[in-house]
Amino acid sequence: DQQVKQNSPSLSVQEGRISILNCDYTNSMFDYFLWYKKYPAEGPTFLISISSIKDKNEDGRFTVFLNKSAKHLSLHIVPSQPGDSAVYFCAASDGSSNTGKLIFGQGTTLQVKP
Amino acid sequence: DAGVTQSPTHLIKTRGQQVTLRCSPKSGHDTVSWYQQALGQGPQFIFQYYEEEERQRGNFPDRFSGHQFPNYSSELNVNALLLGDSALYLCASSPARGAFNNEQFFGPGTRLTVL
Repeated sequence: DQQVKQNSPSLSVQEGRISILNCDYTNSMFDYFLWYKKYPAEGPTFLISISSIKDKNEDGRFTVFLNKSAKHLSLHIVPSQPGDSAVYFCAASDGSSNTGKLIFGQGTTLQVKP
Repeated sequence: DAGVTQSPTHLIKTRGQQVTLRCSPKSGHDTVSWYQQALGQGPQFIFQYYEEEERQRGNFPDRFSGHQFPNYSSELNVNALLLGDSALYLCASSPARGAFNNEQFFGPGTRLTVL
């Protein structure tokens, strides 16, 4: 039972353009969502997060949008840079668990072409 | 300030053997979680340790066990290894509850290969 899904295994964009990575979830108890970036041979690195009480959060070139009714979130990267090429994981947490346990999607590999 | 460290980096074992993986959390963190990442998949939660006790467990068999030491470092033990246990094992740390700790900091992982 995949509670967090990233349906696009890969995405390729041109440098300077917008990258949009999507994520869907099924558990309405999730109240906090995070995006992690992972380079080969490294652990996931926290990128940006959003609480379920918000619908948008920005941090520099990165913006996360949350649509609770659709159980959908997206990560926008503008402008995309070659250094953004990595695997991006969407993760969700259920506040009622009191542990911050993260449920991850399968990941989307982003390639930004110069 | 050292981040999360894990050892060893790589490990090769044969079916039926036992393995121990180690993790030191980020300075100031006292909660350690372990995740298994199979090839092409996202990390899957194994369990979390806080105050030297297992606080929550994911859907993993009892062959997977852990321990947390008074200095907050942690070990993951896997007994009776199966081929399907081949994966990247990630350790993540977070600060004490009471602070907002949904953001977990990950180590580089240990790549386990079972032959």
